[in-house]
Amino acid sequence: EDQVTQSPEALRLQEGESSSLNCSYTVSGLRGLFWYRQDPGKGPEFLFTLYSAGEEKEKERLKATLTKKESFLHITAPKPEDSATYLCAVQDNNNDMRFGAGTRLTVKP
Amino acid sequence: DGGITQSPKYLFRKEGQNVTLSCEQNLNHDAMYWYRQDPGQGLRLIYYSQIVNDFQKGDIAEGYSVSREKKESFPLTVTSAQKNPTAFYLCASSIQSPGPQHFGDGTRLSIL
Repeated sequence: EDQVTQSPEALRLQEGESSSLNCSYTVSGLRGLFWYRQDPGKGPEFLFTLYSAGEEKEKERLKATLTKKESFLHITAPKPEDSATYLCAVQDNNNDMRFGAGTRLTVKP
Repeated sequence: DGGITQSPKYLFRKEGQNVTLSCEQNLNHDAMYWYRQDPGQGLRLIYYSQIVNDFQKGDIAEGYSVSREKKESFPLTVTSAQKNPTAFYLCASSIQSPGPQHFGDGTRLSIL
């Protein structure tokens, strides 16, 4: 069965302190890996899709990378408005989608 | 603006009662999904539909039912058979599979 594990569960950063969130996965044939941002009481907001190892995507202070076993979401010089829960999901060859439990990021001013 | 609308935002269920959560999308997406989100857990798939008048069970379908009579609408009924219904319910849609899903803002269901 596909598995997605995100670490750490929670991360507290000072404003401007760069860091990375991890998403490790086991899947029967990766069709795509997705990153989402979720604010409290809201639905997840789509950020990135990665399809193959070595691929990278960037958006403002966020950069997502992918290897054959894990993905990283790098946050450069974060701001308080980057505080949210970040979710990772993988889609396999059967088109089944599996979500991780998320990393709750808090950025202090 | 296109998007997914879920209603109500908050819902309370009494013992033995069935309740229905609404999900409407104007993105012209074929596929629609229902997820349940509990604290500390990943989203779990309840039901999904790839096309009108067709839907499949997800990982945790017991105690839930759905219908897909129109492309835009995918309501979820939480029946009295679902003994632990308190959760945050999310509806999503996608233009095709594989591909990213787009989510509504959820319905929080609680027990009275």
